[in-house]
Amino acid sequence: EDQVTQSPEALRLQEGESSSLNCSYTVSGLRGLFWYRQDPGKGPEFLFTLYSAGEEKEKERLKATLTKKESFLHITAPKPEDSATYLCAVRTANTGFQKLVFGTGTRLLVSP
Amino acid sequence: DTGVSQDPRHKITKRGQNVTFRCDPISEHNRLYWYRQTLGQGPEFLTYFQNEAQLEKSRLLSDRFSAERPKGSFSTLEIQRTEQGDSAMYLCASSQTGTNTGELFFGEGSRLTVL
Repeated sequence: EDQVTQSPEALRLQEGESSSLNCSYTVSGLRGLFWYRQDPGKGPEFLFTLYSAGEEKEKERLKATLTKKESFLHITAPKPEDSATYLCAVRTANTGFQKLVFGTGTRLLVSP
Repeated sequence: DTGVSQDPRHKITKRGQNVTFRCDPISEHNRLYWYRQTLGQGPEFLTYFQNEAQLEKSRLLSDRFSAERPKGSFSTLEIQRTEQGDSAMYLCASSQTGTNTGELFFGEGSRLTVL
C-alpha cells in the first residue's frame, strides 16, 4: 500500500531561522510528488511538482527537492506569513493518474 | 472571483439528516474532484469527474454518498442519513485537461458537523 509520512508534525521557527520539512514515501511506481500549502480554514494551494530523483523546484523562500525515498521542502529565512500547514502528496502507479494521496502535513509557525 | 467556489461553507445537521454540497469549478476546467479532510489529517480522495462522467470513486465513498456533475459544470455531493463520522471538511478541486502537473485548484471547503 502506498504510504506518505511527513515530519515533523509541527515546527516552530523564529523569523529568519531556516529549516527543512520532510516527506518520505513508500510507493509502487512514483508518478509525481506534490507540495501544497494550506492556511487555516482554507483549501490547499499548489506549490510544486517533482517527478524524478534529483529534481529541484524553487519559489521565493521555498525550495523542494526529491530523492528516491523522500522529498524535502527547504524554507530559507522564513517570515511570519510562511506560517501554514505544508502538505505532501503523491501520485503512483497504484492510485491512477487523477488521485493524489496526501500526507498528514507539517504545521509551521514562524514567530516574528 | 474566478476560483473554485463551494456552498455552503458550514453546515450543522443532526444525525440521520441528508445534506448536499455544491461546487462551482473554475469555468474552463473540465476535471473536478471531491476530497474529504478531517482535523489533523491530509485530504482523502473521494471521487473524480471528467466533464459529466464520474470516472473514479474511492472505497471511502459508501452507498450513502452520491456525487453528480450533470452538465459538466457545477457538481453536487449528497450525503444521506448522515452519521457523526461524516463530520469533516469536504473539499472540491478542479483542473484542466492536458495539464498533468498535479496542480489542483481547491475551493475553501464545506465544513460539515453532524450532531
